[in-house]
Amino acid sequence: GAVVSQHPSRVICKSGTSVKIECRSLDFQATTMFWYRQFPKKSLMLMATSNEGSKATYEQGVEKDKFLINHASLTLSTLTVTSAHPEDSSFYICSARDSGLAEQFFGPGTRLTVL
Amino acid sequence: GENVEQHPSTLSVQEGDSAVIKCTYSDSASNYFPWYKQELGKRPQLIIDIRSNVGEKKDQRIAVTLNKTAKHFSLHITETQPEDSAVYFCAASNTGGFKTIFGAGTRLFVKA
Repeated sequence: GAVVSQHPSRVICKSGTSVKIECRSLDFQATTMFWYRQFPKKSLMLMATSNEGSKATYEQGVEKDKFLINHASLTLSTLTVTSAHPEDSSFYICSARDSGLAEQFFGPGTRLTVL
Repeated sequence: GENVEQHPSTLSVQEGDSAVIKCTYSDSASNYFPWYKQELGKRPQLIIDIRSNVGEKKDQRIAVTLNKTAKHFSLHITETQPEDSAVYFCAASNTGGFKTIFGAGTRLFVKA
């Protein structure tokens, strides 16, 4: 299957700093990428959908000014958590989909801990 | 809004027994139903999927059934093994809109 990488895998930061997470599709062009957040023992909650070259579509309750998403190319999307606070600590997972296909491929996730 | 309900939340079976996980969805436009297996701290892995024009699909010990009229779909794992222990998520999406809604997950324990 297609490969999606995510970097970093783990990050610890101080409250008030910003953290950038990268999601890359390695062997296919991802016209659509998704960003999810997963709390311990919980399901994946969709945060936003990003299409290459256009603004991301955010789910209800997700602050677009706090979670900045950029999908600058067909293989890279970034999520920046701005002014992170302890309640932002979570497991963030991206997924990518090729145009015309239903299946999405997940990255390995990034565990964010805000102190 | 769209919703996917998944039951049970926890399932414990003896090795060799079968496990069944059930999901219902609300959006009648959904036409693609994947199932994912997620081990602790790892990414979700697609294990099987079914599209709305098919009622059943099987892949070795795993099968999925879909009842579009009732908006139900189920995952069946036969001859369970300890390595099947994980969290399983069902999902529903509309390939036109591309948005995928996940169920809450089922934690499966297979006892040796």
